Amino acid sequence: NAGVTQTPKFQVLKTGQSMTLQCAQDMNHEYMSWYRQDPGMGLRLIHYSVGAGITDQGEVPNGYNVSRSTTEDFPLRLLSAAPSQTSVYFCASSYSWTSGDTQYFGPGTRLTVL
Amino acid sequence: GESVGLHLPTLSVQEGDNSIINCAYSNSASDYFIWYKQESGKGPQFIIDIRSNMDKRQGQRVTVLLNKTVKHLSLQIAATQPGDSAVYFCAENGVDTSYGKLTFGQGTILTVHP
Repeated sequence: NAGVTQTPKFQVLKTGQSMTLQCAQDMNHEYMSWYRQDPGMGLRLIHYSVGAGITDQGEVPNGYNVSRSTTEDFPLRLLSAAPSQTSVYFCASSYSWTSGDTQYFGPGTRLTVL
Repeated sequence: GESVGLHLPTLSVQEGDNSIINCAYSNSASDYFIWYKQESGKGPQFIIDIRSNMDKRQGQRVTVLLNKTVKHLSLQIAATQPGDSAVYFCAENGVDTSYGKLTFGQGTILTVHP
């Protein structure tokens, strides 16, 4: 199993550009989520999904959209990038959404918005 | 102004010493806690977890202690090795416990000197 994969590893955008961060997992996990990590801080939840077709907002959802058309994929879209979105983005997945299920994290995408 | 989050707590130890990393959590309703290790340029990696009905749990070289009275969590690493150098995060199950949302702490930088 590849686990949780994310692409790209690095990305530089100009303010106002749009892009999609890709996340995929091959563990047949129902629960997937996106976090951002800013320098010197812990991770903050952006959006999450408890299964295909179901998504919901986390702690910092503004400026991001998600969709979950398949169990495997959970892309994160930035419609109009802003410098405040410069961060490292991590995707995570777990077998279910209940407390106690270990979340597995991808390697991250480092995004810079100029 | 400067963000408090830019200055992570740090812990420096000698190889072979025992390390104790502390974490205070805020939500008395949280029922699940996890410690993650994050090496430079990588995603968080699960170390050990504990439920609120326990006060201690041991893994390989690691022990997690939970004190619900003062809302405090600690990670003890025995015989610390240079490979243990990383940022360590505690995470708690979010307010909405049915969806496994994690709230992360700020993190502690552990440096192990040979």
